[in-house]
Amino acid sequence: DVKVTQSSRYLVKRTGEKVFLECVQDMDHENMFWYRQDPGLGLRLIYFSYDVKMKEKGDIPEGYSVSREKKERFSLILESASTNQTSMYLCASGSNGANVLTFGAGSRLTVL
Amino acid sequence: GQQVMQIPQYQHVQEGEDFTTYCNSSTTLSNIQWYKQRPGGHPVFLIQLVKSGEVKKQKRLTFQFGEAKKNSSLHITATQTTDVGTYFCAGGGKLIFGQGTELSVKP
Repeated sequence: DVKVTQSSRYLVKRTGEKVFLECVQDMDHENMFWYRQDPGLGLRLIYFSYDVKMKEKGDIPEGYSVSREKKERFSLILESASTNQTSMYLCASGSNGANVLTFGAGSRLTVL
Repeated sequence: GQQVMQIPQYQHVQEGEDFTTYCNSSTTLSNIQWYKQRPGGHPVFLIQLVKSGEVKKQKRLTFQFGEAKKNSSLHITATQTTDVGTYFCAGGGKLIFGQGTELSVKP
């Protein structure tokens, strides 16, 4: 069974802390995505990557950065967490062809 | 930038009633995908439509892609409690998601 694994299901951080959210996929997919999900706003794209060391900004990249050093791993970094970054973060991967997304279980981040 | 709008935001139905959610894009889409997210879960892929005017069925679910490839709909016939969840459309090269329609079904 194909899998996208997010390292943490729940995190609580303090304002100003650096936060790493890790995502690993075992499907050899080229494309990986980070979304945040907030009530009434659906899924908003933060960053995506279509190859190792490549990244593209999504709709809401401010306050976030990403890293893709290996094909299977895509990390989301909050350099200095703020309370408005409290959200559910969803990682997904997809192949170059159909680009059908497989999502991870999500990481619920609370910033105090 | 590209926007994908989805209506309604919420829909409450009695079990056995039909349900439809609509998706509209500000630009022409090469394809549209539909996902379902159960309460407490993550989005799961349902289907992809590629051709103008395309209609696909999955049991009680019917998906349509508009002739202009700017809108799509998902229709569920005779809803069941297992249909509960949020339905999202997504389109475009960056897979922009709509806001989702949350469906609740009263037994």
